[in-house]
Amino acid sequence: EIVMTQSPATLSVSPGERATLSCRASQSVSRSLAWYQQKPGQAPRLLMYGAFTRATGIPARFSGSGSGTEFTLTISSLQSEDFAVYYCQQYNNWPLTFGGGTKVEIK
Amino acid sequence: EVQLVESGGDLVQPGGSLKLSCAASGFTVNSNYLSWVRQAPGKGLEWVSVIYIDGSTYYADSMKGRFTISRDSSENTLFLQMNSLRSEDTAVYYCARGLMGTPLASDIWGQGTMVTVSS
Repeated sequence: EIVMTQSPATLSVSPGERATLSCRASQSVSRSLAWYQQKPGQAPRLLMYGAFTRATGIPARFSGSGSGTEFTLTISSLQSEDFAVYYCQQYNNWPLTFGGGTKVEIK
Repeated sequence: EVQLVESGGDLVQPGGSLKLSCAASGFTVNSNYLSWVRQAPGKGLEWVSVIYIDGSTYYADSMKGRFTISRDSSENTLFLQMNSLRSEDTAVYYCARGLMGTPLASDIWGQGTMVTVSS
């Protein structure tokens, strides 16, 4: 099983600042990597797939990069609605696996 | 509107069974990859199972032999039959649709249904 490790566990950021979230895979997943956003009491929302392709309706302030084992989600200027938990997911190997999540909170 | 609505969550005793449903609207279940993903209280996401367009199914190791994913085109509904339930199966269960072209990333999610396994 591929283990996905996200860091940091919690990221405290002020509105308008940049946030950088990391996701590391225990072995290469190529670019088969998705990012999801989840707010309390809500279902996850797909942000990115293929490591760097934004899903429909996702603002341009969200960007993804990386391949192989190291991936990054960047939020260029945090808005109030961006404070949430973010998960990465690899879909290159069975079983599909998620990272433990990064909570982005207001500083 | 493209939508998924889960139902069937309940309180069940350890060793018991439960069948979850996920009604799809705005698209057909037979023409899409569909997954179940769960989230234990206060925890992260855990992939459970997927059914491909051709009917192939895959499961997480801890669910193999206990859970069965299926679909009914006449009802346009996805199902998850869960047997031999354990306390660690307690979670919100989400159904999700695979993204066109990247079917193992999920672009449409239901609101979730809560399963509690406890005596």
